[in-house]
Amino acid sequence: QQQVKQSPQSLIVQKGGISIINCAYENTAFDYFPWYQQFPGKGPALLIAIRPDVSEKKEGRFTISFNKSAKQFSLHIMDSQPGDSATYFCAASRISGGGADGLTFGKGTHLIIQP
Amino acid sequence: EAQVTQNPRYLITVTGKKLTVTCSQNMNHEYMSWYRQDPGLGLRQIYYSMNVEVTDKGDVPEGYKVSRKEKRNFPLILESPSPNQTSLYFCASSYSTGTSRYEQYFGPGTRLTVT
Repeated sequence: QQQVKQSPQSLIVQKGGISIINCAYENTAFDYFPWYQQFPGKGPALLIAIRPDVSEKKEGRFTISFNKSAKQFSLHIMDSQPGDSATYFCAASRISGGGADGLTFGKGTHLIIQP
Repeated sequence: EAQVTQNPRYLITVTGKKLTVTCSQNMNHEYMSWYRQDPGLGLRQIYYSMNVEVTDKGDVPEGYKVSRKEKRNFPLILESPSPNQTSLYFCASSYSTGTSRYEQYFGPGTRLTVT
């Protein structure tokens, strides 16, 4: 059972455009939603994260939008640049309860920004 | 420089020949984890460790072993590798409490091919 569904699998955006990647989750106990960015030949790196007590978080050109009722969250990259070309993973986990729950990752989106 | 290191970076081996992939971190992190990354499947957790001598299974533990004798090291052992373990492997580490546990630092990856 896939607990975090990510779409699209691949995405091509023109330089300066807006890149949007969507994720949906099933487990209502999830309460932490990070996005990781991975460049070719590198390990993933934390990009931005959100807790469900807010509907939006912005860091520079990157914004997470969160819809708790729909169990969906998305990453928006404004003014997309060729340097943003990478694979993006959404993830989810449960922080509350103090357990050892790990991150459940989506399958990833390969983003290409065309110059 | 804060980092997670893995060795080797690339490995080609034959079915049944025991191998160990090493992982070391210099950030004094309590939590360490191993993931495998496969095309179309994203990142899946193999094993994790909350601290020294404390390890537990992730989502895909079959065919793997781990140990955590020192805080900085978390080796992944394949006692009898099979071709279905051909994959890209990542080690990750983080602090163990609150949202810090999900701010994971990933190593550069080990590409393993089992023939």
